Amino acid sequence: EAQVTQNPRYLITVTGKKLTVTCSQNMNHEYMSWYRQDPGLGLRQIYYSMNVEVTDKGDVPEGYKVSRKEKRNFPLILESPSPNQTSLYFCASSLPPPGGTSYEQYFGPGTRLTVT
Amino acid sequence: GNSVTQMEGPVTLSEEAFLTINCTYTATGYPSLFWYVQYPGEGLQLLLKATKADDKGSNKGFEATYRKETTSFHLEKGSVQVSDSAVYFCALLNTGGFKTIFGAGTRLFVKA
Repeated sequence: EAQVTQNPRYLITVTGKKLTVTCSQNMNHEYMSWYRQDPGLGLRQIYYSMNVEVTDKGDVPEGYKVSRKEKRNFPLILESPSPNQTSLYFCASSLPPPGGTSYEQYFGPGTRLTVT
Repeated sequence: GNSVTQMEGPVTLSEEAFLTINCTYTATGYPSLFWYVQYPGEGLQLLLKATKADDKGSNKGFEATYRKETTSFHLEKGSVQVSDSAVYFCALLNTGGFKTIFGAGTRLFVKA
């Protein structure tokens, strides 16, 4: 089954404790992206990756890091989480690359993060 | 810059009612437009899309027409069902761009 998986689905942590949210897709997609969803703000892009070893900042990258060492995986790293990073996080992937007329993003189920 | 504005929710309808969720956009060039749906506890799924002016996207009884003159992409369905209860997001992608811009989302409740 074609899918994007994220782990963990739920996480409660404390300020300053480093964490990683994993994302994996089995569709051989080049493009992957991380979003955060906050009430009244919709989805905002954190980082995206066009392919292995190619990443770039989205609209709200502060406080986050990413890496793309393999095509299928795109982990999101919070080196020192703060309460304002409490949010619902989504990973997404797509094929063909954005800008094509058949472009469609496939989303993971989400990770609800609470930072106290 | 590019932006998407959706009507605020929640929208509450009775089963078999007509649905309209308004969406307007601001963009340079000729963006592609999308509606995504998010069911409770799940990620977003593409509902429909349109890639040029006057195109109509349709899926599962939902429709939206790309209106360049009014910069709009309103979502409609003639007869909603309880199973349509979800959050609906309007989104745009500029030609040659790599970033999808999402609206704030509109929550729909359908009562039996």
